[in-house]
Amino acid sequence: DTGVSQNPRHKITKRGQNVTFRCDPISEHNRLYWYRQTLGQGPEFLTYFQNEAQLEKSRLLSDRFSAERPKGSFSTLEIQRTEQGDSAMYLCASSLTGGANIQYFGAGTRLSVL
Amino acid sequence: QKEVEQNSGPLSVPEGAIASLNCTYSDRGSQSFFWYRQYSGKSPELIMSIYSNGDKEDGRFTAQLNKASQYVSLLIRDSQPSDSATYLCAVMNAGNNRKLIWGLGTSLAVNP
Repeated sequence: DTGVSQNPRHKITKRGQNVTFRCDPISEHNRLYWYRQTLGQGPEFLTYFQNEAQLEKSRLLSDRFSAERPKGSFSTLEIQRTEQGDSAMYLCASSLTGGANIQYFGAGTRLSVL
Repeated sequence: QKEVEQNSGPLSVPEGAIASLNCTYSDRGSQSFFWYRQYSGKSPELIMSIYSNGDKEDGRFTAQLNKASQYVSLLIRDSQPSDSATYLCAVMNAGNNRKLIWGLGTSLAVNP
């Protein structure tokens, strides 16, 4: 257990529905990242927060995706009007400014869109 | 050309042998390099990090970095069946918001 918590672990939804995932980072970590991983691929960067500020969002990311990190603590990732292509593992990682730049990953949320 | 390239495998080695995993990257400004292990259906788990040229050893694992050749490798000595997993190479440029750029991973099978 890395100390990064993600909920839910699994989500099955029908196409067109909205879903929201939550990530609780390691408490003192100010950097938070979301990645997406599909089968047979490496993780793909989605977005990055430093404290409560969203500093980068992947250009590949559809406008249906939005993320927040109110108060610089937990973060949520929402997908609106889900599509079958959104089916993937959504990974959250946190790290501390300075030091070894090591990102610690949560267990992930596996999304299946039917 | 992909930013981070790995041989997809599968790489198959007998138990007790040395497994050698390779990774090349395109961003010469990269400063931090990581090897993560990922079991099927699980999230990536950090195995090694390396930041300067040369070798870094941790138990049965040795990471090697050559920035001039833009090459990083992972050696696993005395391979065990429990080492069977996908090994992901990840590269970071501090000027790029420190996000990780990943290879596709190399699947390793250690046969008893």
